[in-house]
Amino acid sequence: EDQVTQSPEALRLQEGESSSLNCSYTVSGLRGLFWYRQDPGKGPEFLFTLYSAGEEKEKERLKATLTKKESFLHITAPKPEDSATYLCAPSRTGANNLFFGTGTRLTVIP
Amino acid sequence: DTGVSQDPRHKITKRGQNVTFRCDPISEHNRLYWYRQTLGQGPEFLTYFQNEAQLEKSRLLSDRFSAERPKGSFSTLEIQRTEQGDSAMYLCASSKGTGNNQPQHFGDGTRLSIL
Repeated sequence: EDQVTQSPEALRLQEGESSSLNCSYTVSGLRGLFWYRQDPGKGPEFLFTLYSAGEEKEKERLKATLTKKESFLHITAPKPEDSATYLCAPSRTGANNLFFGTGTRLTVIP
Repeated sequence: DTGVSQDPRHKITKRGQNVTFRCDPISEHNRLYWYRQTLGQGPEFLTYFQNEAQLEKSRLLSDRFSAERPKGSFSTLEIQRTEQGDSAMYLCASSKGTGNNQPQHFGDGTRLSIL
């Protein structure tokens, strides 16, 4: 059975304090792993897709990495506007849907 | 690219009433998805369309739920005889699709509250 676990559930950082969010997954036949950002009252906003172990992608202060069992979202020198819930979603080969974790709620304090 | 549009943004109704939500996907996207999200949880898949064909339905989609995409453009999700447990955010997403690895782009959802 497919499983995805995100940790921590919530994270408070001072502005400029770098950290990492974890997404552990068990999916038979991973097609891709997607990262999204969600602000309160809004739909998820696409950030990255990772396809194979060892792959990395960057966007501004965010860098996503992938291994065979985990993905990390590294946040370097975060700003208050990075505060949001970050969701990871593996997708299985042959499946059309995304299978979301419960997310990490990030708060960056000025 | 005007994004995925959902209407209404909020719906409050009494238990037992029927409700219908609309989703307008990004114009060149042929794939359309419905998800449901409750507080503190990630979105859960409900159903998937490729063009006008509904190709996949989750077991979460009880017989009180029906979705259509009549001309392969906009989609509607109807819930009949609403129950308290139907209170959630209903999200629509779309992607373009020659393969299954295109990212899904989400609308801002319809928040349903059942009194």
